[in-house]
Amino acid sequence: ELKVEQNPLFLSMQEGKNYTIYCNYSTTSDRLYWYRQDPGKSLESLFVLLSNGAVKQEGRLMASLDTKARLSTLHITAAVHDLSATYFCARGGTGNQFYFGTGTSLTVIP
Amino acid sequence: EAGVAQSPRYKIIEKRQSVAFWCNPISGHATLYWYQQILGQGPKLLIQFQNNGVVDDSQLPKDRFSAERLKGVDSTLKIQPAKLEDSAVYLCASSSIRVAGANVLTFGAGSRLTVL
Repeated sequence: ELKVEQNPLFLSMQEGKNYTIYCNYSTTSDRLYWYRQDPGKSLESLFVLLSNGAVKQEGRLMASLDTKARLSTLHITAAVHDLSATYFCARGGTGNQFYFGTGTSLTVIP
Repeated sequence: EAGVAQSPRYKIIEKRQSVAFWCNPISGHATLYWYQQILGQGPKLLIQFQNNGVVDDSQLPKDRFSAERLKGVDSTLKIQPAKLEDSAVYLCASSSIRVAGANVLTFGAGSRLTVL
């Protein structure tokens, strides 16, 4: 059974601190996606990771992919309030399916 | 480019009633997806179309849910009869190959269904 699990599910962090969100998936894939969802809004694409060792960075967010470990990470550097949202990873399927994780709800506290 | 259009944005019905959601994808996007997102959970794929053919509907409750994509453009998702557990946001997404051969999903704003 295909599973995409994220941890933590809930994350409360202070502004200026660093933290990492983890995404584990049960069956191998070389495509991993990260999305952001603000409350009451739809999902917005953040990163597309297409190979083992891929690393992408945008502002205070950096995503990486280890296909051998079936693990992707989303690292937050020096968090600011604007980063408060729910973050989802999604594993790519062979038929261009997207299987989403459980989500990590991030709250950045002043 | 115009985004993925969905309607209605909100719908409240009683159990056993029927409801239909409409989606118009980004022009030229061949692949269209319907996801169900229950509060506090990640989106769950209901059905995936490639042009007007079904690629994956393994998680669609076919006894009550149906979807079609006539002419390979817009799509309709129907629920009949609705159950309380169908309360969720129904997200439509479309994709095209944009990044080194990989599809990237663009989501619509979603249709929030409340079943009483």
